[in-house]
Amino acid sequence: EVQLLESGGGLVQPGGSLRLSCAASGFRFSSYAMSWVRQAPGKGLEWVSVINNIGGITYYADSVKGRFTISSDNSKNTLYLQMNSLRAEDTAVYYCAKDYSSGYYYLDSWGQGALVTVSS
Amino acid sequence: EIVMTQSPATVSVSPGERATLSCRASQSVSSNLAWYQQKPGQAPRLLIYGASTRATGIPARFGGSGSGTEFTLTISSLQSEDFAVYFCQQYNKWPPYTFGQGTKLEIK
Repeated sequence: EVQLLESGGGLVQPGGSLRLSCAASGFRFSSYAMSWVRQAPGKGLEWVSVINNIGGITYYADSVKGRFTISSDNSKNTLYLQMNSLRAEDTAVYYCAKDYSSGYYYLDSWGQGALVTVSS
Repeated sequence: EIVMTQSPATVSVSPGERATLSCRASQSVSSNLAWYQQKPGQAPRLLIYGASTRATGIPARFGGSGSGTEFTLTISSLQSEDFAVYFCQQYNKWPPYTFGQGTKLEIK
């Protein structure tokens, strides 16, 4: 059974940094693309970033480009999201999600989410 | 960027009846469209991919159709557990993956 468990969320001041982690199990982590998707309170889903765990290729939404960095450690089966220069509008639940393949398609498994609140 | 538009924003349907949810893409996404269900306080769950293929474990009362720019999610004979928010997502042209804004299916 695929399991994705996010951690590292919390309250941070504007301009601050936070690193989210997503521990994966139940599948061959190194063979899949992995994404971060966020959801602001009461809003819809916004894709944030994706990494191809085979080649390490990464992509970002324009709203986070230059501030967020996605990475993964295949030896630890863990996905990360380093978030710098945080803004109030980054407040959201952040989900890690597994792509159905090593490419970029649909997201067939999701974690339970980690809440990030950016406020002074 | 491909914009996904869902309609209606909210739909009220009685248990046992059929619900029809729509998703429109700003340009063709072929059949590269997925549907997700999200219940309050829970993560999204994949329902449909390839516009019409049910994901593992999804009941047959969930059906997807369409291609190009117009897509439909149909839920026949609504059960109490089906009342939730539904999102469509295109994966034809990326980045970015883009989602619709969601349709809330509520009990009438």
